[in-house]
Amino acid sequence: DAGVTQSPTHLIKTRGQQVTLRCSPKSGHDTVSWYQQALGQGPQFIFQYYEEEERQRGNFPDRFSGHQFPNYSSELNVNALLLGDSALYLCASSFTGGIDEQYFGPGTRLTVT
Amino acid sequence: GDSVTQMEGPVTLSEEAFLTINCTYTATGYPSLFWYVQYPGEGLQLLLKATKADDKGSNKGFEATYRKETTSFHLEKGSVQVSDSAVYFCALTYYNNNDMRFGAGTRLTVKP
Repeated sequence: DAGVTQSPTHLIKTRGQQVTLRCSPKSGHDTVSWYQQALGQGPQFIFQYYEEEERQRGNFPDRFSGHQFPNYSSELNVNALLLGDSALYLCASSFTGGIDEQYFGPGTRLTVT
Repeated sequence: GDSVTQMEGPVTLSEEAFLTINCTYTATGYPSLFWYVQYPGEGLQLLLKATKADDKGSNKGFEATYRKETTSFHLEKGSVQVSDSAVYFCALTYYNNNDMRFGAGTRLTVKP
């Protein structure tokens, strides 16, 4: 049984560019949450997708957007990249919106130069 | 706002030593509390949780008790192993709220 998978593993972008990160949830899960983890910090909640809609959003600007597909996979898009967007981006999946039992992927390391 | 504060690391212990990682929280209501562990190169894994005051979460020899009076959820293990070396995160959230708040993490290194 595959767990949560994320792609790519690493990514290097230039300031002002746009980036798309991808996540496939654990089999049987229908909810995807995205987190940003800066170096030496804990993860920060970006948003959650359930039934192809953004269900809840953390304190992140509109440059961060997402999408969930009918197969429950999800994308995180970040526009107009800033140096401060450099971080590990984690995807977590769960069932029916609950996060008590969420499973995390290994993350995508984004470096903005 | 709601937040979690963890003891600063890194923590280095010898195998079979007793482990305590302190976690305190600030919350406006009555959150659920969690400990996650992150092994090198892997995603976070739920280690244990507690959903109400005085609940004790336990897993793989780790324990933590939800203390409302001291707003704490300290992680303990009686005898650590080299394989316990990882980063540990304390977190909180509320029922029907998906904005999970994490502490900064505590890196544990266990030496043989």
